[in-house]
Amino acid sequence: AQKVTQAQTEISVVEKEDVTLDCVYETRDTTYYLFWYKQPPSGELVFLIRRNSFDEQNEISGRYSWNFQKSTSSFNFTITASQVVDSAVYFCALSHERSNYQLIWGAGTKLIIKP
Amino acid sequence: NAGVTQTPKFQVLKTGQSMTLQCAQDMNHEYMSWYRQDPGMGLRLIHYSVGAGITDQGEVPNGYNVSRSTTEDFPLRLLSAAPSQTSVYFCAIGRSGNNEQYFGPGTRLTVT
Repeated sequence: AQKVTQAQTEISVVEKEDVTLDCVYETRDTTYYLFWYKQPPSGELVFLIRRNSFDEQNEISGRYSWNFQKSTSSFNFTITASQVVDSAVYFCALSHERSNYQLIWGAGTKLIIKP
Repeated sequence: NAGVTQTPKFQVLKTGQSMTLQCAQDMNHEYMSWYRQDPGMGLRLIHYSVGAGITDQGEVPNGYNVSRSTTEDFPLRLLSAAPSQTSVYFCAIGRSGNNEQYFGPGTRLTVT
């Protein structure tokens, strides 16, 4: 069965610290996609990144970076020099075996950045 | 929100009442779906559609109906509301060949 585990329910750091959000997934598919979404306190869901299972290159976008490791079935997300505006709930998701359109979601990690 | 609108933003229902949550898009995306989000949980897929006239069930379809008569609209119907359906409902759209999904602002539903 497919599953996404975000073991960190809540993380609290002081502004400017680096923070890593963990995501571990389970799937029998050989081709799949992984996603990260951000949900700020206002409630909307903001797409951050999509990663194809065949592309294990790490990706960096400004202060955000993602580390995809198939060997450990992990897709971790790091925020460098965190800012208060990064405070949000972050979700990791996996494409469903039946359809890439369907997503299996982790429970989310609430990130609190203290000034 | 990539041209996805949801109405209403908030709704309170009594047990047994019916209602329709509206979702509309102006992006001409083929794929539309409904998720519910409950506290401490990730989103769960209710129903989805890969094009006009085509719908299918997701993970938690019971108590909900959908139809897709046009590309633009994908309403979600609650037939007889129950307190267990208290949740935040998100509509999402996606484009064929690109499985990024873009979400509407959500509808917060309370059933008393």
